[in-house]
Amino acid sequence: DTGVSQNPRHKITKRGQNVTFRCDPISEHNRLYWYRQTLGQGPEFLTYFQNEAQLEKSRLLSDRFSAERPKGSFSTLEIQRTEQGDSAMYLCASSPGGQKGLGTFGSGTRLTVV
Amino acid sequence: SQQGEEDPQALSIQEGENATMNCSYKTSINNLQWYRQNSGRGLVHLILIRSNEREKHSGRLRVTLDTSKKSSSLLITASRAADTASYFCATDDMSSSASKIIFGSGTRLSIRP
Repeated sequence: DTGVSQNPRHKITKRGQNVTFRCDPISEHNRLYWYRQTLGQGPEFLTYFQNEAQLEKSRLLSDRFSAERPKGSFSTLEIQRTEQGDSAMYLCASSPGGQKGLGTFGSGTRLTVV
Repeated sequence: SQQGEEDPQALSIQEGENATMNCSYKTSINNLQWYRQNSGRGLVHLILIRSNEREKHSGRLRVTLDTSKKSSSLLITASRAADTASYFCATDDMSSSASKIIFGSGTRLSIRP
């Protein structure tokens, strides 16, 4: 598989529960991004990794959100104590070093908080 | 906050017609990209145009860039039903070390059979 893979595709959770999403980037890509997209809007940047280092975080990423990329390969995004406002599509993208701004996106994980 | 604004927000045309979408952005850029997103799916990269380019073609797609006006347009010629999707422009954030891309709010394109 040469694409960006995200799991699960859909997640329904009750308010207050924790959820974790996984992203497997294209294997030779050292940059990994997380975006969030709400209905009718464009994706908003959440965070960025270069290899295992988390180099930038958006102010949208409250302290209930944490992202990791422990070995510079796959990444996880965890949301603690979910709120209804967290309902969105969470998109992961990866790109090779040196290609500024170019990313291959996964199909996303759609989170619904009830 | 989002960098770009697409215009129109929604567009409905007859199959076979051409579709034109516009994008305006706020800050200096190195490049501008257009993406397509089918309903409920991830984004597909369509085309990238660099700041020193004025026009680029790819199949039925034609993109223009006017850096003096901070605007871009995407033209889809001879539209097909499969072109029905949302289209987003995206620019790189030169103030960021992350090489992140910032998206506009999108144009929802519907092709009527």
